[in-house]
Amino acid sequence: SAVISQKPSRDICQRGTSLTIQCQVDSQVTMMFWYRQQPGQSLTLIATANQGSEATYESGFVIDKFPISRPNLTFSTLTVSNMSPEDSSIYLCSVELGGLAGSRSYNEQFFGPGTRLTVL
Amino acid sequence: AQTVTQSQPEMSVQEAETVTLSCTYDTSESDYYLFWYKQPPSRQMILVIRQEAYKQQNATENRFSVNFQKAAKSFSLKISDSQLGDAAMYFCASSGTYKYIFGTGTRLKVLA
Repeated sequence: SAVISQKPSRDICQRGTSLTIQCQVDSQVTMMFWYRQQPGQSLTLIATANQGSEATYESGFVIDKFPISRPNLTFSTLTVSNMSPEDSSIYLCSVELGGLAGSRSYNEQFFGPGTRLTVL
Repeated sequence: AQTVTQSQPEMSVQEAETVTLSCTYDTSESDYYLFWYKQPPSRQMILVIRQEAYKQQNATENRFSVNFQKAAKSFSLKISDSQLGDAAMYFCASSGTYKYIFGTGTRLKVLA
């Protein structure tokens, strides 16, 4: 398993400002993921961040709005830029770890506690 | 494309009783995994149970078990002897190459 921490746990921000969310993992991982969970909704993948390469963004999400850094194998940041009230959401980071079930390998995602963002 | 559908927005169960949460999925991948995640009010997502698609045997973890019907693309979660701590949002998810697709969730209420 993996222990994942996020900072800040919550924040209230003004429209037009930016917030950087940090994600720290207690082990080295190749792939880290950033999700958005809007109130009462499911998780939507924003982007996948691999160390040493540019993040891969999902449809509807762009780097200018959600720049991501991945400086090493245990850390990543997601910035929510030029915020509007529609960006109010919970932002979750997750990591994927592999394991073995018999002779078969599998991958499993572990999630951080999330950052609750409110934009006024 | 992958899709995951949870048709029950909310379910209730009496403490110590059994409840089943439904999930259907669609995928074009031949090798995939299915998951149930629990998200309590504290919002930390916790893996409840995992099922490998190539396995016919249903996964079991203590009071949690799944009914995996591959042909019907159905993956339901059964919680036996429900406890107050089981109250949470439950998300069904599928994963193929690397991307996880989540359902819309089922809120489970446990009545004392």
